[in-house]
Amino acid sequence: DGGITQSPKYLFRKEGQNVTLSCEQNLNHDAMYWYRQDPGQGLRLIYYSQIVNDFQKGDIAEGYSVSREKKESFPLTVTSAQKNPTAFYLCASSVPGQGIGQPQHFGDGTRLSIL
Amino acid sequence: GEDVEQSLFLSVREGDSSVINCTYTDSSSTYLYWYKQEPGAGLQLLTYIFSNMDMKQDQRLTVLLNKKDKHLSLRIADTQTGDSAIYFCAERRGNTPLVFGKGTRLSVIA
Repeated sequence: DGGITQSPKYLFRKEGQNVTLSCEQNLNHDAMYWYRQDPGQGLRLIYYSQIVNDFQKGDIAEGYSVSREKKESFPLTVTSAQKNPTAFYLCASSVPGQGIGQPQHFGDGTRLSIL
Repeated sequence: GEDVEQSLFLSVREGDSSVINCTYTDSSSTYLYWYKQEPGAGLQLLTYIFSNMDMKQDQRLTVLLNKKDKHLSLRIADTQTGDSAIYFCAERRGNTPLVFGKGTRLSVIA
């Protein structure tokens, strides 16, 4: 089945550590996205990538980094500079462009907590 | 950017209709979407509507679009306990990532 796989489902981070969240898709989508979800705040865009080897900052990129070396993969690193990393992280992908109302498809999320 | 607005909570009785409202911001938005999120899960696309349409119906779901007022609504007929979730409205502004509202938490009372 085609879809987006996020791993792990739960992740714990110690103070001062960097952690990397995995996102893999087999939908052959060019565009991929990372969102952060906090209670009552909806989804906030961290980074997105419309093509391999290219990515753009979203609304809350500070303290995060990404890479896009392969079409299928868009890992997100939460660095020690992110002072409030506890949240639910969602990865999404889509075919870029508006031609047929390209929706974004989502993974099941990773919940990150601070120890 | 400007926010997509939704009320945060809605409570309905099982069997009644639910109407979830959304106000979007960009009159040139081409597509508007409704997503559903169940606890601990990602977002599931429910339906979308193109901006040149007024209404779209898909089984128990009806989407109404008022372009003049930039108002979008999702009606769920015969609401069931399984419809309890958070519902997100989203708009597409050009060739950019979707802009989401904060979500409406629907509670269905048996």
